[in-house]
Amino acid sequence: AQSVTQLGSHVSVSEGALVLLRCNYSSSVPPYLFWYVQYPNQGLQLLLKYTSAATLVKGINGFEAEFKKSETSFHLTKPSAHMSDAAEYFCAVTPGAGRRALTFGSGTRLQVQP
Amino acid sequence: GAGVSQSPSNKVTEKGKDVELRCDPISGHTALYWYRQSLGQGLEFLIYFQGNSAPDKSGLPSDRFSAERTGGSVSTLTIQRTQQEDSAVYLCASSERGQGAGGGELFFGEGSRLTVL
Repeated sequence: AQSVTQLGSHVSVSEGALVLLRCNYSSSVPPYLFWYVQYPNQGLQLLLKYTSAATLVKGINGFEAEFKKSETSFHLTKPSAHMSDAAEYFCAVTPGAGRRALTFGSGTRLQVQP
Repeated sequence: GAGVSQSPSNKVTEKGKDVELRCDPISGHTALYWYRQSLGQGLEFLIYFQGNSAPDKSGLPSDRFSAERTGGSVSTLTIQRTQQEDSAVYLCASSERGQGAGGGELFFGEGSRLTVL
């Protein structure tokens, strides 16, 4: 079975500061990993995904994440936060093979202070 | 429409009543998922339909919950004899192919917010 743990249900940063949202996964087989973002009163949308190609994955809106097998991590970063980045972020995992639905983490709410 | 459509967007019901939530996936998407989003709990997987295969029902929390997908398109999630703990946002998503086939992107609807009084 696969699972993800997101450390920190709330993260607050200043505008222009580095954003770091943490995600650790557990999977018995090579995983596919995803980050989704949910803006207020909207559905989730895909930020980026790792599917066993490059370990550093670039997504939309300047976000990127690095797959580190040795640390079983897939942390999300952005060099400089913008007010519009305020949202809830979800890490998700699925086995790389087989027909299984995504397992999501509990989410991290990002606040950006002016 | 171009995206995943869910109805109703809001539903208030009394404890013990049955409710039906509808999901219209993106045309041509073979995979359809239902998730439940409760406050502070993240997204909880409920059920997954992939083409004509038997659905993965492993996430349904009790036998009061059921879902069907007619004609490989529209899906209905039914909750019988609702309880207060069923209050949540129910999210539907679809993808062009299943997650096992290259990690297809999920496209989510805006959800149906259920409140059980």
